[in-house]
Amino acid sequence: GNSVTQMEGPVTLSEEAFLTINCTYTATGYPSLFWYVQYPGEGLQLLLKATKADDKGSNKGFEATYRKETTSFHLEKGSVQVSDSAVYFCALSDRTGGSYIPTFGRGTSLIVHP
Amino acid sequence: DAGVTQSPTHLIKTRGQQVTLRCSPKSGHDTVSWYQQALGQGPQFIFQYYEEEERQRGNFPDRFSGHQFPNYSSELNVNALLLGDSALYLCASSVTPGQGSYEQYFGPGTRLTVT
Repeated sequence: GNSVTQMEGPVTLSEEAFLTINCTYTATGYPSLFWYVQYPGEGLQLLLKATKADDKGSNKGFEATYRKETTSFHLEKGSVQVSDSAVYFCALSDRTGGSYIPTFGRGTSLIVHP
Repeated sequence: DAGVTQSPTHLIKTRGQQVTLRCSPKSGHDTVSWYQQALGQGPQFIFQYYEEEERQRGNFPDRFSGHQFPNYSSELNVNALLLGDSALYLCASSVTPGQGSYEQYFGPGTRLTVT
């Protein structure tokens, strides 16, 4: 079955530091990959996506590249801000068996200090 | 363009009671999915509705049931509440499977506390 593994948090950084949150996946088909962000007390917001190998998703300074050979989709940002403090979820969705239900990782909490 | 809306925002219930949560999908979306998110965990899929029918179901007991209305809005019902049902319940909407990308748009959630 499908699964997503994320690095455990919390990840604690100072403002303007470089961010990497690792995500690897297992899928039986050819999935689309997503990063969602959840701010305190809110639902999930789609941050970025990639639908095929070597695609790079990007948004708000965040980037992630779909690496089929390493089954990874690591999230990066060159310079984090305090406002980026949130929980980040990696997810995949594929068409295996006609299912479009995303499978989520457990989430990685990011804390950015001024 | 209104996004996904959910009501109520918070809810406190007693063990054994029943609860109904409501969701209106994003404009242009006809598929609604429900998720349970326990504290510190990722969302767990409960079920998905399309064309007023349950199309997919996750590993949740029959105490969890749902409904989709002709206007695509949806309800999640939970009977015989247990303490373990305390969680954030998320609704997500998407376009018809096969008609677009697979991304889902989430509402802000309903925080259910069972005492």
